[in-house]
Amino acid sequence: AQTVTQSQPEMSVQEAETVTLSCTYDTSESDYYLFWYKQPPSRQMILVIRQEAYKQQNATENRFSVNFQKAAKSFSLKISDSQLGDAAMYFCAYRSVFGNEKLTFGTGTRLTIIP
Amino acid sequence: SQTIHQWPATLVQPVGSPLSLECTVEGTSNPNLYWYRQAAGRGLQLLFYSVGIGQISSEVPQNLSASRPQDRQFILSSKKLLLSDSGFYLCACRTGGIGELFFGEGSRLTVL
Repeated sequence: AQTVTQSQPEMSVQEAETVTLSCTYDTSESDYYLFWYKQPPSRQMILVIRQEAYKQQNATENRFSVNFQKAAKSFSLKISDSQLGDAAMYFCAYRSVFGNEKLTFGTGTRLTIIP
Repeated sequence: SQTIHQWPATLVQPVGSPLSLECTVEGTSNPNLYWYRQAAGRGLQLLFYSVGIGQISSEVPQNLSASRPQDRQFILSSKKLLLSDSGFYLCACRTGGIGELFFGEGSRLTVL
């Protein structure tokens, strides 16, 4: 079974600085999807960025980018120019391409932005 | 784009009472629907998913059940709540693409 591990329960960063959140996963499959979700205090989960495993190019969405290392099974999220609104829980998630509807989540990293 | 409505937003129920959480989706048709539970300080646990009306797959055996009476309606139920059922329940949908989920605002259940 696939597992997703986020080894940093909490992180903090100074406003305007850059922070990287770590995520590793375990799978025997060669094709899959990876996601980062953000859960602000309002509690609604919001998709931040996604990556298809067959694509070598790292995904980027404005200030958010990923470092996808397929061989190492690592999928870290970099947030540049951190803003107060970035404060939230961040969840890494995995989904198989074939058949399985299940999206497997990590346990999350709580990000605090220091003004 | 799709919008997911969940209600009630907050619910406090005694142990042994029944439960009904409702989720409806707007702006799409024939979505895949999901119920996740988030316990305090933990990640999300998939409880049920549905690929169509009347089709329910259960991921975790428990005293909860799910039903999908209409294409865009997903209901989470229990006949008798346990203390361990307390948590934050999230409904989500997927409408194709590469598998990203879109979430509702959640329902917080406290069982006393």
